Amino acid sequence: AQKITQTQPGMFVQEKEAVTLDCTYDTSDQSYGLFWYKQPSSGEMIFLIYQGSYDEQNATEGRYSLNFQKARKSANLVISASQLGDSAMYFCAMREALLFSGGYNKLIFGAGTRLAVHP
Amino acid sequence: DSGVTQTPKHLITATGQRVTLRCSPRSGDLSVYWYQQSLDQGLQFLIQYYNGEERAKGNILERFSAQQFPDLHSELNLSSLELGDSALYFCASSVGGTAYNSPLHFGNGTRLTVT
Repeated sequence: AQKITQTQPGMFVQEKEAVTLDCTYDTSDQSYGLFWYKQPSSGEMIFLIYQGSYDEQNATEGRYSLNFQKARKSANLVISASQLGDSAMYFCAMREALLFSGGYNKLIFGAGTRLAVHP
Repeated sequence: DSGVTQTPKHLITATGQRVTLRCSPRSGDLSVYWYQQSLDQGLQFLIQYYNGEERAKGNILERFSAQQFPDLHSELNLSSLELGDSALYFCASSVGGTAYNSPLHFGNGTRLTVT
C-alpha cells in the first residue's frame, strides 16, 4: 500500500537561509507522481511542485526544488532564500498510476511539517 | 486562486443535523475529490468522482454521501453529524481521473463545526 512519511513535525529556519523538508514514500508501482503542497494558516492548499517517477532531473519551481532520490524513495523539498511568508504547513503527497486497476487514483498525503521562518 | 470554489466557507451546526457542502471544479476539470482534514487524522481522502460517476472511495462514513452533477459541480452530504465530524473539508479537482502526473487543485475548504 502506498504511504508517505514526513518525520519532521516542525522545523524552523532563519530568513534568507535554505531549508530542507524531508519526505519518504513507499509504493510498489513503477509509475507515480510526487507533489508538495503548502498550507498557510489561512487554510488553503497551494500546489508547489511536482516530480514524476521517470523524471531524471530534479524538479524546480522558483525558490522550490525537489531533491528526488528514487532508490532511497525520498522526495525532499528544498526552499531556498526563505521568506517570512514561507511559514506554513507543508505536505508531501503521492499519486500512483494504478495502470492495472482502472487508474482512478487518489492523492495520499503525509502528516505534514510545520515550518516557521524567523526574522 | 486555484479556480476551485467551495461554499460555504464556514458552517456551524448541532449534533444530529445534516449539512451539504458544495464544490465547483476548475473550468475543464472532470474529476472532483473530497478530503477531510482533522487535527488527529490529517488529510483523509473521502471520495472521487469523474464526469459524474463515482470512481474511488476512501474512508468515507456511511453517514456521508456525495454526488457530481451533469454541470460537474459536486456536493458532499453529511448527516447525523457528530462532534468528531468537525473538520476542514476540501474539494479538489483535476483534468482527468487517471493521470498520476496531474496535480489536484484545492478549494479553500469548508470549515465545519459541530456543537
